[in-house]
Amino acid sequence: DGGITQSPKYLFRKEGQNVTLSCEQNLNHDAMYWYRQDPGQGLRLIYYSQIVNDFQKGDIAEGYSVSREKKESFPLTVTSAQKNPTAFYLCASSGTATNEKLFFGSGTQLSVL
Amino acid sequence: SQQGEEDPQALSIQEGENATMNCSYKTSINNLQWYRQNSGRGLVHLILIRSNEREKHSGRLRVTLDTSKKSSSLLITASRAADTASYFCATDAPNNNDMRFGAGTRLTVKP
Repeated sequence: DGGITQSPKYLFRKEGQNVTLSCEQNLNHDAMYWYRQDPGQGLRLIYYSQIVNDFQKGDIAEGYSVSREKKESFPLTVTSAQKNPTAFYLCASSGTATNEKLFFGSGTQLSVL
Repeated sequence: SQQGEEDPQALSIQEGENATMNCSYKTSINNLQWYRQNSGRGLVHLILIRSNEREKHSGRLRVTLDTSKKSSSLLITASRAADTASYFCATDAPNNNDMRFGAGTRLTVKP
């Protein structure tokens, strides 16, 4: 999956609980992205970051938070405010902030207990 | 909001046939990309075409771009069972710095 590692592969969340999805890349890429994919649907952008210590909201940022303290890491927290978190979460990175080829991780399937 | 919309939503063909998928988008773009996703996996980049290009080839893949119609097509020639996957187009916008994906075309190639 192109040097991007997502973990865990499967994650279960209890009601009211915050959970964090990990995304690490060793490609020295500047830009990183989080997408949500629901069954049979396309990808919706949650957050993206073009540079360390900076990130922007995507279309569905409510109930999610991110940080970009290191270039190689872009963790996503699904908070208790996200009432429908069950989905497949995909992290991606690209070499510049100019929307070149995206490299994707293998995804994390989040389910609610 | 989604920028690209693929058509058809699903396509089923026999091995050896050609598969054509279309993508329409709404705003002007810098480039358009096509990706492939096997079930339960991440997406894999197939090809990128820039707004000043009209056609591009990569192996059995042929992509066209018509910026006047805001549309693109992906042609897979001589399809194989291993081509079974979902295919997505993704677009950017000149003043944006993120990529937006359509809902995808689910291709099934029967052996």
